[in-house]
Amino acid sequence: GENVEQHPSTLSVQEGDSAVIKCTYSDSASNYFPWYKQELGKGPQLIIDIRSNVGEKKDQRIAVTLNKTAKHFSLHITETQPEDSAVYFCAASKHSSASKIIFGSGTRLSIRP
Amino acid sequence: DAGVIQSPRHEVTEMGQEVTLRCKPISGHNSLFWYRQTMMRGLELLIYFNNNVPIDDSGMPEDRFSAKMPNASFSTLKIQPSEPRDSAVYFCASSPGQPNNQPQHFGDGTRLSIL
Repeated sequence: GENVEQHPSTLSVQEGDSAVIKCTYSDSASNYFPWYKQELGKGPQLIIDIRSNVGEKKDQRIAVTLNKTAKHFSLHITETQPEDSAVYFCAASKHSSASKIIFGSGTRLSIRP
Repeated sequence: DAGVIQSPRHEVTEMGQEVTLRCKPISGHNSLFWYRQTMMRGLELLIYFNNNVPIDDSGMPEDRFSAKMPNASFSTLKIQPSEPRDSAVYFCASSPGQPNNQPQHFGDGTRLSIL
């Protein structure tokens, strides 16, 4: 089955700097890659997603890149702000009627003032 | 638009007791997922339903766990009897299901503590 690995497990960056979180997946049939942000006491919330027919997607300060050949995908956050502090999860899913997704282990991002 | 609603938000009970967690998915969503989150194991998929039918329950840890979805607007996850190692945050999520690969929307979870 699918396996998603995520690195690093913790990341601390200075406010205003960029943060990058990387994931790899094992199943070449996976074609949908969402990223979730989880704040304390809340459930994971979708922040951006990418499908396998594109290599990059951007939404304001957040961008995601996908390399299907290497089975890598990454989240990039630019101009980080204190409210970006949270746990981030990558995930991968295959084309299926029930959209089961496999999550990475999470990255705890801390923004230093 | 109301999101996924879970109840209770917190549950503290003694081991051996029956625990029932509840979930109301987003209206119109036809896929529902139950997850468990712990520090050691991260976010684990326990079971998911499509059109009220269980599709994959391979993540359910053992027979003490059961889940039902009697209709499109309600699901329960039951643990009987509960054990201290069941302590975790349990999340319910729903998605439109079709077209394929639609994002899942999570509730805010039930924090379960078994003493």
